[in-house]
Amino acid sequence: GENVEQHPSTLSVQEGDSAVIKCTYSDSASNYFPWYKQELGKGPQLIIDIRSNVGEKKDQRIAVTLNKTAKHFSLHITETQPEDSAVYFCAASRGGSYIPTFGRGTSLIVHP
Amino acid sequence: DAGVIQSPRHEVTEMGQEVTLRCKPISGHNSLFWYRQTMMRGLELLIYFNNNVPIDDSGMPEDRFSAKMPNASFSTLKIQPSEPRDSAVYFCARGSPTGANYGYTFGSGTRLTVV
Repeated sequence: GENVEQHPSTLSVQEGDSAVIKCTYSDSASNYFPWYKQELGKGPQLIIDIRSNVGEKKDQRIAVTLNKTAKHFSLHITETQPEDSAVYFCAASRGGSYIPTFGRGTSLIVHP
Repeated sequence: DAGVIQSPRHEVTEMGQEVTLRCKPISGHNSLFWYRQTMMRGLELLIYFNNNVPIDDSGMPEDRFSAKMPNASFSTLKIQPSEPRDSAVYFCARGSPTGANYGYTFGSGTRLTVV
């Protein structure tokens, strides 16, 4: 089955800095890679996703990159703000019919 | 998320008692998922339904756990009898309208504490 590794487990940055969270996956057939943000006391919320036919996707201050050859993908947050503080999860799956495998999560702390 | 309503938000119960967690998916794909979250094991898929039918319950830890989905807008997860190691946050999620697993909408979760 799929195995997703996520690093780092904790990331502390100053407001305005960039943050990068990295994930690797094992199943070369995986083609869908979502990212979720979980704020304290809430459920994970989908913030961005990427499919294997593209290498990068952006949405305002958030971007995801995918390297299928190396089987890794990353979340980039620029100009971080205190409200970006949360736990971020990556996931990988073979697509709509397959259950995603989640990473263990990264706790991002943005210091004002 | 307003798309999935879970109740109760918090539950504290004594070991051996029965616990029932509830989920109401408002809209979306006709798939529904129950997850358990702990510090030690992260997010674990317990069971998922498609068209109200359980498809895969291999993640259900023991016979003490059971789940039902009597209709498209309601599901329950029951633990009987409960044990302290069941303490966790339990999430219900619905699939995306574009395809079951293309992005879930999670509820706010039920924090279960078994003492």
